[in-house]
Amino acid sequence: EDQVTQSPEALRLQEGESSSLNCSYTVSGLRGLFWYRQDPGKGPEFLFTLYSAGEEKEKERLKATLTKKESFLHITAPKPEDSATYLCAVQARGGSGNTGKLIFGQGTTLQVKP
Amino acid sequence: KAGVTQTPRYLIKTRGQQVTLSCSPISGHRSVSWYQQTPGQGLQFLFEYFSETQRNKGNFPGRFSGRQFSNSRSEMNVSTLELGDSALYLCASSLIPGTRGETQYFGPGTRLLVL
Repeated sequence: EDQVTQSPEALRLQEGESSSLNCSYTVSGLRGLFWYRQDPGKGPEFLFTLYSAGEEKEKERLKATLTKKESFLHITAPKPEDSATYLCAVQARGGSGNTGKLIFGQGTTLQVKP
Repeated sequence: KAGVTQTPRYLIKTRGQQVTLSCSPISGHRSVSWYQQTPGQGLQFLFEYFSETQRNKGNFPGRFSGRQFSNSRSEMNVSTLELGDSALYLCASSLIPGTRGETQYFGPGTRLLVL
């Protein structure tokens, strides 16, 4: 069964204290791995798409990496405005055709204190 | 370019009633997916539509249904509401199906409260 597990569930950092969020996945055939940011009461905001092991993407203080079993979201020198829930999701190959269905992890809630 | 829009943003219903939620995708996007988000279960896939056809369906009871119109706008309907249907319902759109992963862009969601 396709599955996504994120850790830790919650993370508290001081402003400027770098860290990483983990996303482990089990999927029959990976078509894409996605990172989203979600603020309370809002819809998920797209951050990155990764397609194959070894791929890396960067945006401001965020860097996403991908291996065959997991993905990391590295946050460098975070600021209070980076506080949010970060969601990881995968799209798997379909037996009867590819679809856009996303399988989500439970998310990591990040709090960055000034 | 306007993002995904969902209406209404908030709804309060009572058990046994039915509800219809609406989603307008990003201009040019032809695929629409629906998700339910709850604190206990997280984000769960409901169904996906492309060219007015349901491409995939999640593990939800038949009370949950949807459709897509020729202009790619989509609606989802929940009949005979139960307390457990209280959730944030999210719509996401993407361009077209493809071999590579399709990036989905989410709307702000409709918050449904069932009393």
